[in-house]
Amino acid sequence: EVQLVESGGGLIQPGGSLRLSCEASGFTFRSYWMHWVRQAPGKGLVWVSRINSDGSNIGYADSVKGRFTISRDNAKNTLYLQMKLLRAEDTAVYYCARAVGYDTPIDSWGQGTLVTVSS
Amino acid sequence: DIVMTQSPDSQAVSLGERATINCKSSQSLLYSSKNKNYLAWYQQKPGQPPKLLIHWASTRESGVPDRFSGSGSGTDFTLTISSLQAEDVAVYFCQQYYSLPYSFGQGTKLEIK
Repeated sequence: EVQLVESGGGLIQPGGSLRLSCEASGFTFRSYWMHWVRQAPGKGLVWVSRINSDGSNIGYADSVKGRFTISRDNAKNTLYLQMKLLRAEDTAVYYCARAVGYDTPIDSWGQGTLVTVSS
Repeated sequence: DIVMTQSPDSQAVSLGERATINCKSSQSLLYSSKNKNYLAWYQQKPGQPPKLLIHWASTRESGVPDRFSGSGSGTDFTLTISSLQAEDVAVYFCQQYYSLPYSFGQGTKLEIK
């Protein structure tokens, strides 16, 4: 069974930093492209970032470019999202999700971790 | 960037009746050399992550009931639930994976009338 378990969320002040982790199991993690997607409370889904299977191909939404960094450790089956200079508008549930390749849909999602940016 | 627009924003349908959700993209999602539309549909129930229902605009994901179907090509797409069941109450999102940044529709909330 595919499992994606996010952690690292919490309450953080504006301007602060946070690192999210996503531990994968039940599939060959190193073979899949991975995504972060966020959802503000009561709002829709917003794609944040994507990384290919070996970490050599990365993309970001304009709203997080230069502030967020996606990475992965295939030996640990773990995906990361380093977030800096956090703003109130970054408040959301952050989902880790997987896709087979660069031009395939997201087919599995984690349960999400809530990040709240507030003073 | 590709903008995805869904209609309606919410819909109330009687049990056993048909529900139809529309999704329009600001540019074509048809990759002509592969003859595929890079469009997916997701279902999200309260407190849960999204679940993939349909990909390539009309291919049902394994395990998804056959009352769910997707259609359309280019810029106009439709998700149809042929006979609404109580467990189908959810928010439905379309998403394009044709190009980065991937984008989602704003969601359609489906309720029982």
